[in-house]
Amino acid sequence: DQQVKQNSPSLSVQEGRISILNCDYTNSMFDYFLWYKKYPAEGPTFLISISSIKDKNEDGRFTVFLNKSAKHLSLHIVPSQPGDSAVYFCAAEKYNQGGKLIFGQGTELSVKP
Amino acid sequence: DSGVTQTPKHLITATGQRVTLRCSPRSGDLSVYWYQQSLDQGLQFLIQYYNGEERAKGNILERFSAQQFPDLHSELNLSSLELGDSALYFCASSPRTAWARNALGANVLTFGAGSRLTVL
Repeated sequence: DQQVKQNSPSLSVQEGRISILNCDYTNSMFDYFLWYKKYPAEGPTFLISISSIKDKNEDGRFTVFLNKSAKHLSLHIVPSQPGDSAVYFCAAEKYNQGGKLIFGQGTELSVKP
Repeated sequence: DSGVTQTPKHLITATGQRVTLRCSPRSGDLSVYWYQQSLDQGLQFLIQYYNGEERAKGNILERFSAQQFPDLHSELNLSSLELGDSALYFCASSPRTAWARNALGANVLTFGAGSRLTVL
């Protein structure tokens, strides 16, 4: 049962434009959602999170939007830079599960100069 | 450097063999998590330890086992290896107290660089 889904395996955008990465989930009981970025040969690194009681969280060029009714969240990167090229994973957490994160399959973002 | 150390970085072995992957968590972190990433797949949760005790289990095969030692390092043991066990195995740590209800934000896991296992 895939509780967190990223349906787009890849995305290509032009430098300076907006990148929008999408994530859907099935469990309405998740308390937090997180985005991680992964470069080749490295482990995932934390990017930004959002509480389930919020609908937006912003950190510099990165903004995460949460639509609970649609069970959908998105990560916006504005403006996109070539260094943002990486695989982005969406993850979800429930308090009563000890803190484990459930990850989506990832979306590979390519930002072209 | 994330502060989470995983060894070995690469491991090639044969079917039927047994291997041990090692993880040293970030200083001060009590929780250790193991994840498996197979080709073109997301990170699948295997198991979590908190201060030496197992706290949560995912879809971990019976051929796999793990433990966390008093110095907080953890080992993931994979036995009777099959071709399908070839994957990246990630260890992550967090300071999260297993029983504390979170009031401070998301449980941010810090990941190591992974151990790439190839079973031939």
